[in-house]
Amino acid sequence: AQSVTQPDARVTVSEGASLQLRCKYSYSGTPYLFWYVQYPRQGLQLLLKYYSGDPVVQGVNGFEAEFIKSNSSFHLRKASVHWSDSAVYFCAVSGTGGYKVVFGSGTRLLVSP
Amino acid sequence: ETAVFQTPNYHVTQVGNEVSFNCKQTLGHDTMYWYKQDSKKLLKIMFSYNNKQLIVNETVPRRFSPQSSDKAHLNLRIKSVEPEDSAVYLCASSSWGVDTQYFGPGTRLLVL
Repeated sequence: AQSVTQPDARVTVSEGASLQLRCKYSYSGTPYLFWYVQYPRQGLQLLLKYYSGDPVVQGVNGFEAEFIKSNSSFHLRKASVHWSDSAVYFCAVSGTGGYKVVFGSGTRLLVSP
Repeated sequence: ETAVFQTPNYHVTQVGNEVSFNCKQTLGHDTMYWYKQDSKKLLKIMFSYNNKQLIVNETVPRRFSPQSSDKAHLNLRIKSVEPEDSAVYLCASSSWGVDTQYFGPGTRLLVL
């Protein structure tokens, strides 16, 4: 069975600073990996996903993530955050051929002015 | 407009009552899901359907039952709600099993 660990429940960064949100997954096969964002009182929205190929994937709004198989990690990065990036970010993993996606516990990002 | 729609937005009820939540997607997707999100934002899958067929049924109490009339609709009924059912229920859809999921805004349930 797959699982996801997001070790940081809350992260605070200053506007304009760089950002890394950590994600480690556990899955014995080839994983499909996702990052979603949830703004207040809304559903989740996809930021980016990795299925195969280039381990660095680009997403919306300047986000990117790098799949490091040897470390079972899929950390999310952004070079310069904006106050509007304040939200809850979820990492998720699924296996090929399945219908079940497992989400991490989320990281609440607060961007301070 | 193509999206995932959920009704109601918010529902307050008392212990023991029955509630039903509706979800409709206009994205033409084959797969739909129900998730429960608790007050700490933890997201747990409850059910997933593919073309009206139940595919994933996680360990949820029997008082929860999904209902699918066609692949665009997936409703959730809770018989005899309990206080621990207070949560946000999120509906989602995807074009195939583990592709990108599109989420509705959620139904917030408060059980008094």
